[in-house]
Amino acid sequence: NAGVTQTPKFQVLKTGQSMTLQCAQDMNHEYMSWYRQDPGMGLRLIHYSVGAGITDQGEVPNGYNVSRSTTEDFPLRLLSAAPSQTSVYFCASRLGQDYGYTFGSGTRLTVV
Amino acid sequence: AQSVTQLGSHVSVSEGALVLLRCNYSSSVPPYLFWYVQYPNQGLQLLLKYTTGATLVKGINGFEAEFKKSETSFHLTKPSAHMSDAAEYFCAVTGSGNTGKLIFGQGTTLQVKP
Repeated sequence: NAGVTQTPKFQVLKTGQSMTLQCAQDMNHEYMSWYRQDPGMGLRLIHYSVGAGITDQGEVPNGYNVSRSTTEDFPLRLLSAAPSQTSVYFCASRLGQDYGYTFGSGTRLTVV
Repeated sequence: AQSVTQLGSHVSVSEGALVLLRCNYSSSVPPYLFWYVQYPNQGLQLLLKYTTGATLVKGINGFEAEFKKSETSFHLTKPSAHMSDAAEYFCAVTGSGNTGKLIFGQGTTLQVKP
């Protein structure tokens, strides 16, 4: 039981490049979310999903896309990286609204 | 819509003293409330949660929180701080209307002095 697995752990991108942050969970959780963490701003919700085929925008969705083709996977795509997207990204999953999220270990992204 | 305000970005206590971390929420529907802890360079770990029922909830590591609807608060407490409690703490809220949206506060860094 691996929990929530995020890859890569570290990434450096040049401005304008695109990339996909991977997130997979093996707990059969319906709910998944992507957050970014910046100093002094807590965790801000980017996109979330309540099940396969269902996604919705969070607080800061601009510049990011998601899809949820399977229960297990919830990749986050950066369309054209900008320095403002330098952050630590966390993926999380939970069984339902009554449950707490299980978090991945994070991806530290730097855009230069 | 939901939002969370954590009062005090940094809290410093002496070892053995009471820990009190403040959280106020706003929610248009009955809220579900959570506290998480983050140790340096790690992900977040669930401390405790309130969904329905008893308003005083106990969590891991000796922490507890009380849901006060009249004050829209969910403050986190621990009677006696340990050095190992030094970390960042986040309060979070979701609405009870089957939404996947969990909104976090800005976080409070707890420092424990020997």
